[in-house]
Parts: sequence; C-alpha cells; structure tokens
Amino acid sequence: EPEVTQTPSHQVTQMGQEVILRCVPISNHLYFYWYRQILGQKVEFLVSFYNNEISEKSEIFDDQFSVERPDGSNFTLKIRSTKLEDSAMYFCASSPWQGEQYFGPGTRLTVT
Amino acid sequence: EDQVTQSPEALRLQEGESSSLNCSYTVSGLRGLFWYRQDPGKGPEFLFTLYSAGEEKEKERLKATLTKKESFLHITAPKPEDSATYLCAVQAPYGGSQGNLIFGKGTKLSVKP
Repeated sequence: EPEVTQTPSHQVTQMGQEVILRCVPISNHLYFYWYRQILGQKVEFLVSFYNNEISEKSEIFDDQFSVERPDGSNFTLKIRSTKLEDSAMYFCASSPWQGEQYFGPGTRLTVT
Repeated sequence: EDQVTQSPEALRLQEGESSSLNCSYTVSGLRGLFWYRQDPGKGPEFLFTLYSAGEEKEKERLKATLTKKESFLHITAPKPEDSATYLCAVQAPYGGSQGNLIFGKGTKLSVKP
C-alpha cells in the first residue's frame, strides 16, 4: 500500500541554523501539506501546495519557512533560521483531491 | 473562529467495554469531518471521512457518526490494540482554502486487558 515517507526521522539543530525536512508524497496525489505538532499540543496546519505553488498558509508559516517541490517526487520544508519554539514534530501529508489526507510518520525537530 | 473540541481528553476502558468519543465543531459550511488514529511518536492514520448529517461509517470495531454539530466515534468491544489517541478534524470552509484540516486536541484511549 502506498505511503508518505519523511526523512530524517529526527533532526537536531542549533538555534539559527537552517534545516530542510524532506517528504515523498504518494505518487498520484496532487495536494500536499505540512503540519506541525508541538509536544502535547494539537496538530496545526502550516501550508498547502498545489500545482507547484503555495495555495494557502497559516500565520505560523512566516518568512522563515519555505516549501519546494524540486522534482516530481520530493516535497521539502525549509526553515531558514531555527528558533527554540520551532521544536516540534513536522508531518507531511498528501491527498489525491481536497478530501482525506494521508500523513507521513513525521520528523522530530529539536532545536537547541 | 472555527473550532474543534474533543471529549473526554482521556478514556480508560476495560477490554470489551464499549464507549463513545465525542467531537463537537463550529465551522461555517462543513466540507468534511475526519477521524484519525495517532500512535505515540507517529503520524495520524486516516480512519473515516463524513460529509453530511446522518452519515455513518464503520471499520472493524469502530463506527463514526455525524450530526449537524458533532460527531461520535463508537468503539464496540475494544481490544488493547485499540489504545491510541483519536483525532477529529474538520476541513476549512470553501473560499480559497485547499482543504487544510483543523484538528481537535484528541482523546487518548487506553484499553486494559
């Protein structure tokens, strides 16, 4: 059964460093999303991506964040200058249409 | 503001003891309501989508129902392997949105043998 994959599973970085989180969505899906979940809190929407451009972003997704789909399979989230409060689980999700979304296993980002 | 509230926050059941989880929502123009299962340290696993009041979906020991203001996830004769956090989410209304999900805090279910 096709699934969303994410790498790395755990990323430790120092404050102010850039990180890139990678995702491979399910191959025939058209809509792509990033969410985050701070420990003990609810899953929060960051950004949606369709037709090679951002279609919507939340207030969390400020100028420090960017997304790219550099080729036909990968979908990346970049944080330019990490802050302590960026520590969270980051989930990539994909959907064949604007319906149910399928989530990856997540990347745990720890900023020290 | 669109809101999703889940109750209870935590639920402990004995194996075989049926119960229900609640998800109440306030969103203008529901596009879809989703139930996910999340195991510790893992991503949400899709369970059900409900679109209109009166709709019901079933999968093994789980049954999801939807009214105009809330959804229930009924668990019949649960087993220890049903232990997880169950998340409810609604889609943001139409009007430019590409269907991003608004999640509740979840109900942490523990089933003891």
